[in-house]
Amino acid sequence: EAGVAQSPRYKIIEKRQSVAFWCNPISGHATLYWYQQILGQGPKLLIQFQNNGVVDDSQLPKDRFSAERLKGVDSTLKIQPAKLEDSAVYLCASSFDSSGKGETQYFGPGTRLLVL
Amino acid sequence: QQQVKQSPQSLIVQKGGISIINCAYENTAFDYFPWYQQFPGKGPALLIAIRPDVSEKKEGRFTISFNKSAKQFSLHIMDSQPGDSATYFCAALGAGSARQLTFGSGTQLTVLP
Repeated sequence: EAGVAQSPRYKIIEKRQSVAFWCNPISGHATLYWYQQILGQGPKLLIQFQNNGVVDDSQLPKDRFSAERLKGVDSTLKIQPAKLEDSAVYLCASSFDSSGKGETQYFGPGTRLLVL
Repeated sequence: QQQVKQSPQSLIVQKGGISIINCAYENTAFDYFPWYQQFPGKGPALLIAIRPDVSEKKEGRFTISFNKSAKQFSLHIMDSQPGDSATYFCAALGAGSARQLTFGSGTQLTVLP
């Protein structure tokens, strides 16, 4: 079974530029999550999708971050404009449970973003 | 409170020793407590998990001990191996429609050969 795929793996941008990350979850997984992991900290949930609908985006800085999951499969996370404090690893995860219980989440390798 | 507090921040043990990582939580609505293992450059991977209706769960060399009254849980790694060197995160899954995972701050484990 293929795992969660993410691209790019690394990205370096200057502040005020925009950047987008892509995630392809495990086939058949209804729930998709985006997390932000700052160096030395645990992952923090940014947004959770159930199929193509948003379940929770309470911790997403909506003035600069946006995410979408078209057709309930792939997802993109965008930052526009980026700030220095956005430097982090952005992790995508998926879970099978269509009820959204999310008990077993499978993580991708992450995209490491550095904002200069 | 949604916070999960994890300690220690780093841990060094000798090969064959026991590694113990502790976590505490405040929110009694949490009902699922997983531990994740993360190697450098990789995403976290589920290691073992427990529900609050049991006090202990063992899978191979990994054991979770759960104390519901104290709102604490811990990961024990028996016969620690150099290959266990990684960052370990405890987490708690909240109740409600969103079922959000709240992670601890992580413990960097180094097992010396």
